[in-house]
Amino acid sequence: ETGVTQTPRHLVMGMTNKKSLKCEQHLGHNAMYWYKQSAKKPLELMFVYNFKEQTENNSVPSRFSPECPNSSHLFLHLHTLQPEDSALYLCASSQDWSEQYFGPGTRLTVT
Amino acid sequence: GENVEQHPSTLSVQEGDSAVIKCTYSDSASNYFPWYKQELGKGPQLIIDIRSNVGEKKDQRIAVTLNKTAKHFSLHITETQPEDSAVYFCAATRGFDRGSTLGRLYFGRGTQLTVWP
Repeated sequence: ETGVTQTPRHLVMGMTNKKSLKCEQHLGHNAMYWYKQSAKKPLELMFVYNFKEQTENNSVPSRFSPECPNSSHLFLHLHTLQPEDSALYLCASSQDWSEQYFGPGTRLTVT
Repeated sequence: GENVEQHPSTLSVQEGDSAVIKCTYSDSASNYFPWYKQELGKGPQLIIDIRSNVGEKKDQRIAVTLNKTAKHFSLHITETQPEDSAVYFCAATRGFDRGSTLGRLYFGRGTQLTVWP
């Protein structure tokens, strides 16, 4: 399998649930990103990992917790989310800091 | 930080016509400008990019132009086809410094392009 994959593609969760989003890249890149995409807003960068080390946390609430066990995998752990957290969550990877390749996203709905 | 403005937010054209999407940026140090296409139900896909050392780049029916003095860049699609219908995003970044935020991509809000057959 090639490119950037994300699972699940769709997720519905209650505000008290705990769930995790998974991202895997097969491109040999060393940087991975989480973005949030909401309607009518620019893509919002959430977290950046470079060589498994988190290099940026863009003021994201603690109910979102990233994990990067190796340069090919990235997780986003979710707990006690709010309805306004409903969005498309996109993962991306790059070899340097510019040419980012995106996965298909996870459509999250918080009820 | 960088601020990227994108216009128009929606664009409708007849098949075969040309489409132009424009973006402006605020940080004169930005030196890399990618364009992404996002189809329904998919993630953004890089379609073309330009670096600050060139003024224009073409790839078949798409081209990007850059005016560093005015700090704006544009996407041009010629001979549009219905499959060009999608949301297009422009972005800007300062570059490639590892371990810093200088390489962070700043995105525009997107343009919904509809090509009517």
